[in-house]
Amino acid sequence: KNEVEQSPQNLTAQEGEFITINCSYSVGISALHWLQQHPGGGIVSLFMLSSGKKKHGRLIATINIQEKHSSLHITASHPRDSAVYICAPRNTGNQFYFGTGTSLTVIP
Amino acid sequence: EPEVTQTPSHQVTQMGQEVILRCVPISNHLYFYWYRQILGQKVEFLVSFYNNEISEKSEIFDDQFSVERPDGSNFTLKIRSTKLEDSAMYFCASSELREGKQYFGPGTRLTVT
Repeated sequence: KNEVEQSPQNLTAQEGEFITINCSYSVGISALHWLQQHPGGGIVSLFMLSSGKKKHGRLIATINIQEKHSSLHITASHPRDSAVYICAPRNTGNQFYFGTGTSLTVIP
Repeated sequence: EPEVTQTPSHQVTQMGQEVILRCVPISNHLYFYWYRQILGQKVEFLVSFYNNEISEKSEIFDDQFSVERPDGSNFTLKIRSTKLEDSAMYFCASSELREGKQYFGPGTRLTVT
């Protein structure tokens, strides 16, 4: 069964803090998607990665395929980063399985 | 920046009726997806589509669902006989490459009464 676990479920941070969101999954995957869902419901793709590390602006995503684990880091967090962050591994059958998300609130 | 569009933004229908949700993917993208999110729950994969056929589909995507690319721009999801439990936000997404970043539409909220 494809299980995806994210931690923490909820996170409150002060503006400027370094934030880490973790994702663990249970089956072999071909890639993993990190998504951001805004309070209004819209979804934005942040990263698709299958190995190593990717960086975009203040966001960094890493993945360890052997350990079945990925992390999303936000440096110098800002209130506009407040959103739900969702991890979605793609299994070898090319189906995406979604975590329940980490709700992040950044306080000014 | 190019974006994925979806229409309508909100659709209300009666149980048993057919609905068609429409999506216009980004023009040079080749891979298309439908997802749904029931209120308060996580996003779920429905189906992926490439080269005018379904690539993968989930257990949710049963005979009541179908997808089509009727012309060069639209990508549609049809639900033949809606049930109350089909009420959800439906998101369309597209990508240029199979392993590429997906671009999501704003979603269609479907309410079945």
